[in-house]
Amino acid sequence: EAGVTQFPSHSVIEKGQTVTLRCDPISGHDNLYWYRRVMGKEIKFLLHFVKESKQDESGMPNNRFLAERTGGTYSTLKVQPAELEDSGVYFCASSQGPIGQPQHFGDGTRLSIL
Amino acid sequence: QKEVEQNSGPLSVPEGAIASLNCTYSDRVSQSFFWYRQYSGKSPELIMSIYSNGDKEDGRFTAQLNKASQYVSLLIRDSQPSDSATYLCAVHNQAGTALIFGKGTTLSVSS
Repeated sequence: EAGVTQFPSHSVIEKGQTVTLRCDPISGHDNLYWYRRVMGKEIKFLLHFVKESKQDESGMPNNRFLAERTGGTYSTLKVQPAELEDSGVYFCASSQGPIGQPQHFGDGTRLSIL
Repeated sequence: QKEVEQNSGPLSVPEGAIASLNCTYSDRVSQSFFWYRQYSGKSPELIMSIYSNGDKEDGRFTAQLNKASQYVSLLIRDSQPSDSATYLCAVHNQAGTALIFGKGTTLSVSS
């Protein structure tokens, strides 16, 4: 069984540019999550999809971030325009079934804003 | 008070010793608790989940949960150099969806 895959593994862009991160969850997992870790801080929740529906986006920092999950399969997270404070590692995780189940993480995308 | 607190370490133990990692959490209604291991540049890897008070053992790993004290720990027996990593404690939010992480404890096992 393939794990959670994320693309790209690294991205370096300039302030003001746009970047799109992609996540492919484990096949059959309806729940998909985005998290972010900025340097020196803990991993923090951004949002949660159940299939194609956003269930909780309380962790999204501002309206420069847009997440989609068309068709309930893979998800994208777009940052437009990128700011310096958006640098960090963006993780995607997925889980199956009811609430409380363990989440399985991808390797993350390391995003650097210059 | 931070929601999930861990000692950042580094925790250094010799090969073959028991490593003890601790975590406290602030939300009394939390029901699900997880330990993840993360090697540098890699994904957090789930190693233990625990939902009830007491101990749960899986191979060399034992998770301990005490909800009254809001405390969860991870014991690693017969520590190996390959156990050297950052260990993340995570707790589900009240809805049982988003994970709340501690900063992680760095473990170093010397041969």
